[in-house]
Amino acid sequence: GQNIDQPTEMTATEGAIVQINCTYQTSGFNGLFWYQQHAGEAPTFLSYNVLDGLEEKGRFSSFLSRSKGYSYLLLKELQMKDSASYLCAVKAGGSYIPTFGRGTSLIVHP
Amino acid sequence: GAGVSQSPSNKVTEKGKDVELRCDPISGHTALYWYRQSLGQGLEFLIYFQGNSAPDKSGLPSDRFSAERTGGSVSTLTIQRTQQEDSAVYLCASSSMGLDGLAGYEQYFGPGTRLTVT
Repeated sequence: GQNIDQPTEMTATEGAIVQINCTYQTSGFNGLFWYQQHAGEAPTFLSYNVLDGLEEKGRFSSFLSRSKGYSYLLLKELQMKDSASYLCAVKAGGSYIPTFGRGTSLIVHP
Repeated sequence: GAGVSQSPSNKVTEKGKDVELRCDPISGHTALYWYRQSLGQGLEFLIYFQGNSAPDKSGLPSDRFSAERTGGSVSTLTIQRTQQEDSAVYLCASSSMGLDGLAGYEQYFGPGTRLTVT
């Protein structure tokens, strides 16, 4: 099986930078997703990392270290609308079914 | 274009009744997933359909749960003899099978059906 850990909740200030960590334990790692989910809405895709390193997409970046079983999502220039839950999900063993963590609830305050 | 749609958006049912939840995936997406999400919990995988292959039912919590996918498109999740612990948001997602192994096959989620069993 897979074990995925994320902090339950984080708070940050508008305009700041926040890093949301995800650690995982799995065999046959294939890739790691980050999704954003606003309250009462469906998750939406943010990023998918297969190789080590940082991938940047505008204000959001995602980092992966396969040797450490570690990823983070970096959000810059935080806006109030970034308040949401951020879900880390791992694919492994050639499966097409990602396993999701419990998500990190991010609260951005003025 | 149209995204993934689900119906109904909300369903309240009495304990012991059967319910059917519907999912219309994005046209052309061969993969379809059902998840459920309880308050404050992550997404719990239920079942996965891929083309004409036999579905992966490994996540179904009991034999009261079943799902089918007709014509490789619309899917129905059926819960028989509902119990209060079945109350959750049921999410459907679809994805396409890219040729690039690095594509990741990101999932597109529907808005979900909020099921409340009283």
